Amino acid sequence: KQEVTQIPAALSVPEGENLVLNCSFTDSAIYNLQWFRQDPGKGLTSLLLIQSSQREQTSGRLNASLDKSSGRSTLYIAASQPGDSATYLCAVGPSYSSASKIIFGSGTRLSIRP
Amino acid sequence: SAVISQKPSRDICQRGTSLTIQCQVDSQVTMMFWYRQQPGQSLTLIATANQGSEATYESGFVIDKFPISRPNLTFSTLTVSNMSPEDSSIYLCSVSDVPPGNTIYFGEGSWLTVV
Repeated sequence: KQEVTQIPAALSVPEGENLVLNCSFTDSAIYNLQWFRQDPGKGLTSLLLIQSSQREQTSGRLNASLDKSSGRSTLYIAASQPGDSATYLCAVGPSYSSASKIIFGSGTRLSIRP
Repeated sequence: SAVISQKPSRDICQRGTSLTIQCQVDSQVTMMFWYRQQPGQSLTLIATANQGSEATYESGFVIDKFPISRPNLTFSTLTVSNMSPEDSSIYLCSVSDVPPGNTIYFGEGSWLTVV
């Protein structure tokens, strides 16, 4: 059974720092991995989607990497800003194409101090 | 990309009542899903809303408690029946074109508080 873990659960850094959020999964047979951002009391906003054949994806100050063999993904945020404060979740899509079964991590709550 | 509208965005409900949440997508999509996110927790899939047939429920969720409709490829509803304080959660609608190959999109969520 696939399990997705995100460590740390919470992170606080001063503005301007580069930071890395971690996501690990137990079953390397995945179809894709997606990073989301969630503001308090709100829905999820998709940040980056990495297909299993890809190693990384970039969007602006965000870079997500995927290492299937080790069961890890990282989300790198460059030059952090207070507006980046949110909870970041990773979600793993399974390798079979039946119903959803996307598995979410529990998230990392990020706080950027001005 | 898909734009998803959910209603209501927030509500306070009395114990024992039922509430229906609506999810409208700006394009036709094959797969629609309903998730629950309890306070401080990650997302849990309630069911997959199938167009023209009954929803497919995950373990721990039943149709009597969470009836779902999917009358067409752009709309779905989730009803939370006979609510109790334990049902206080954010309920999220999401869509995907190809299961599960494409990007998953979420609505803004419906934050229900049961008193």
